[in-house]
Amino acid sequence: QKEVEQNSGPLSVPEGAIASLNCTYSDRVSQSFFWYRQYSGKSPELIMSIYSNGDKEDGRFTAQLNKASQYVSLLIRDSQPSDSATYLCAVTPSGTYKYIFGTGTRLKVLA
Amino acid sequence: DGGITQSPKYLFRKEGQNVTLSCEQNLNHDAMYWYRQDPGQGLRLIYYSQIVNDFQKGDIAEGYSVSREKKESFPLTVTSAQKNPTAFYLCASTSTGGFQPQHFGDGTRLSIL
Repeated sequence: QKEVEQNSGPLSVPEGAIASLNCTYSDRVSQSFFWYRQYSGKSPELIMSIYSNGDKEDGRFTAQLNKASQYVSLLIRDSQPSDSATYLCAVTPSGTYKYIFGTGTRLKVLA
Repeated sequence: DGGITQSPKYLFRKEGQNVTLSCEQNLNHDAMYWYRQDPGQGLRLIYYSQIVNDFQKGDIAEGYSVSREKKESFPLTVTSAQKNPTAFYLCASTSTGGFQPQHFGDGTRLSIL
């Protein structure tokens, strides 16, 4: 089992819709969770950090964390064509300074 | 402006050659990391360092070497022992390893001639 798993996609949504991206992780006591957006040929940029169970909202983005079920999700409301990118989930397992990345979900927002 | 600078942006390696990728940060971050990304793949950890003069191997350290002589700098050498070096290399830093989010440089794209 991979430490951090994401559906590779592509996930296609129409402009204005809600895009839902999911990530599961294997280390039950992971402590920090991050979502990054990566445009083709570019480096990842941080979208959201989340550390405790529940929802965290920032503009059109909402991160949801459920430690009991070991998943973290990212919702993008009012999706725009400029949101088309690969979204990477990263997790820091307990007792380590490492960041474990999923392989990313490619999102396509159709105009 | 604070940030992470990676150079060069593109690099070509000949057979049997060692090449060094530069990573400099002025964010006053303690922890620095090197990742490799292959097409359609996530980021795989090569080496990381929490403090000056100390670093640890990541998941794919074979064929690579690093140094951390200054807080601001964490160069990566791709040695001739790395037989498949073609990839996108990303340097990242964070103030507190394992808790705070990482900030990334713009990356170096390495290819074999």
